Amino acid sequence: GAGVSQSPRYKVAKRGQDVALRCDPISGHVSLFWYQQALGQGPEFLTYFQNEAQLDKSGLPSDRFFAERPEGSVSTLKIQRTQQEDSAVYLCASSPRANTGELFFGEGSRLTVL
Amino acid sequence: AQKVTQAQTEISVVEKEDVTLDCVYETRDTTYYLFWYKQPPSGELVFLIRRNSFDEQNEISGRYSWNFQKSTSSFNFTITASQVVDSAVYFCALSEASGSGNTGKLIFGQGTTLQVKP
Repeated sequence: GAGVSQSPRYKVAKRGQDVALRCDPISGHVSLFWYQQALGQGPEFLTYFQNEAQLDKSGLPSDRFFAERPEGSVSTLKIQRTQQEDSAVYLCASSPRANTGELFFGEGSRLTVL
Repeated sequence: AQKVTQAQTEISVVEKEDVTLDCVYETRDTTYYLFWYKQPPSGELVFLIRRNSFDEQNEISGRYSWNFQKSTSSFNFTITASQVVDSAVYFCALSEASGSGNTGKLIFGQGTTLQVKP
């Protein structure tokens, strides 16, 4: 497709399970971001890739969160040993150039941890 | 620390009314960028505008206009003659600038939910 694609759109996990969220950015986009959006809140930055390099992971809330983009295209956000406070929508965004702030967002993956 | 405040949680207007969404920001940077994004019910945020801190000229794009005032650290967004399709959550955001532009890392406000009734 032409836009940023995220899967799964909805994920229900039991507390303690590991989850993996996938992002397919727009083809050729250099920059890729992950944001976390809690209900009724604005998105909060998690991590940033420029091609395959993870240049900023300052927003990852704990070492249970891990992101990768091994070939500079598809990215995966992994959350280990999920907790209830991890429940949120995880948004992926990409940009054709580095450092513009003009981002193309996917529809998000809604994670519910029971 | 950088911060964006959108004091209006929800606004409801009747179609064709004008509506202004407020945004106030805090930053110690002298160079920064401000943004507005729209989040319709489908969930994906849509970029509307980017301003850099050196350009205080107001901008108009169709029914949308933006008023950037550095003196009050505000970047307000006005929709003229609102339409039902404008109903969405609107986010104001701020990013720092690096030597090669900005990092792209956005600090978002909490959003304003706009409901336009027919």
